[in-house]
Amino acid sequence: KAGVTQTPRYLIKTRGQQVTLSCSPISGHRSVSWYQQTPGQGLQFLFEYFSETQRNKGNFPGRFSGRQFSNSRSEMNVSTLELGDSALYLCASNRDGVDEKLFFGSGTQLSVL
Amino acid sequence: AQRVTQPEKLLSVFKGAPVELKCNYSYSGSPELFWYVQYSRQRLQLLLRHISRESIKGFTADLNKGETSFHLKKPFAQEEDSAMYYCALSSAGGTSYGKLTFGQGTILTVHP
Repeated sequence: KAGVTQTPRYLIKTRGQQVTLSCSPISGHRSVSWYQQTPGQGLQFLFEYFSETQRNKGNFPGRFSGRQFSNSRSEMNVSTLELGDSALYLCASNRDGVDEKLFFGSGTQLSVL
Repeated sequence: AQRVTQPEKLLSVFKGAPVELKCNYSYSGSPELFWYVQYSRQRLQLLLRHISRESIKGFTADLNKGETSFHLKKPFAQEEDSAMYYCALSSAGGTSYGKLTFGQGTILTVHP
């Protein structure tokens, strides 16, 4: 069974641009969560989607948004990029309602110049 | 608001020695606690969860609600235990587990 797949692996953007990251969960998983990982703040929850609906949201500005498609794939978007948005963005999926175990992807490393 | 604290950023032990990674939490409700581990060049993965009361790779963790702690222990550390360990808390009350609050992590190094 394929694991959680995140694309692209690396991104370099400049301030003010916008970026879209993609996450394909494990087959059969309907819940997808996003986390931002930085050396200073550690792992911080961004949002969680289930059945195309945002179920939980973290304390991030409105520049961070996401969505989930009917096949459970998810995208997150960051608009008007700032230098502080440079981070590893991790996606995780789980079977929801069956198991509390999260399966993480390898992440997308975003660098904002 | 919930918070997870891992007081040790780095922890070094010798092979065969006992190891304890500390985790304290603050949460007004009934928490569910987890330990996640990231080995070198691997993905973050679940090590164990307090609900299961299981032992994985020789590690155990007991939830102490009085001390609001969930320390991870292993009686005899192995070199392959060297990794980054994260303590995490879910406040969803069993309705969803996608939203976790993570501690800052502890890098465990086991020397031969």
